[in-house]
Amino acid sequence: DTGVSQDPRHKITKRGQNVTFRCDPISEHNRLYWYRQTLGQGPEFLTYFQNEAQLEKSRLLSDRFSAERPKGSFSTLEIQRTEQGDSAMYLCASSLSGLANEQFFGPGTRLTVL
Amino acid sequence: GQQLNQSPQSMFIQEGEDVSMNCTSSSIFNTWLWYKQDPGEGPVLLIALYKAGELTSNGRLTAQFGITRKDSFLNISASIPSDVGIYFCAGVDDYGQNFVFGPGTRLSVLP
Repeated sequence: DTGVSQDPRHKITKRGQNVTFRCDPISEHNRLYWYRQTLGQGPEFLTYFQNEAQLEKSRLLSDRFSAERPKGSFSTLEIQRTEQGDSAMYLCASSLSGLANEQFFGPGTRLTVL
Repeated sequence: GQQLNQSPQSMFIQEGEDVSMNCTSSSIFNTWLWYKQDPGEGPVLLIALYKAGELTSNGRLTAQFGITRKDSFLNISASIPSDVGIYFCAGVDDYGQNFVFGPGTRLSVLP
């Protein structure tokens, strides 16, 4: 399978714990995006990488959130001191820079904070 | 910030009927994308539109990029049960970096 993959698919944690999610983009894609999606809403942009550089962060991304893409391939999203309001689906997408602005999504990680 | 509106929010149709849904924005976009999302899964790209006025088909799906670059529509012909899901539009800015998603249209197909 050469699509975007995310791990884990589901995560249940207690409030105050730290969690980390991983995204593996399509191999030749140099852009990687993180989104958050809550029930009944479309994906909301969190942050974006071009290769290993984090180029943009949404104001939704509080200090408790950090994302990395150290080698320009896979990326991790960490949430520290989780809160119940962090419960959501976290989606990763990748694309190839250029004229074709087509973004491909992974299956998502569903986070539940108890 | 930029926002997209989708209409209708939800729709119930009979199998075999045609479906039409819209996406509008107060901002101009250079690319429009339509996605379908099944429960518990990520969105899947259906159609990409790159030019104002462009009309593109993908099987039973047809989408158009509005002339004003502020809207797009998606049509599904002869709906089938597997068309059930949430359809999202997304607008992309000049640089292909900023993707803004609409709130979705939830489609239910009755047998």
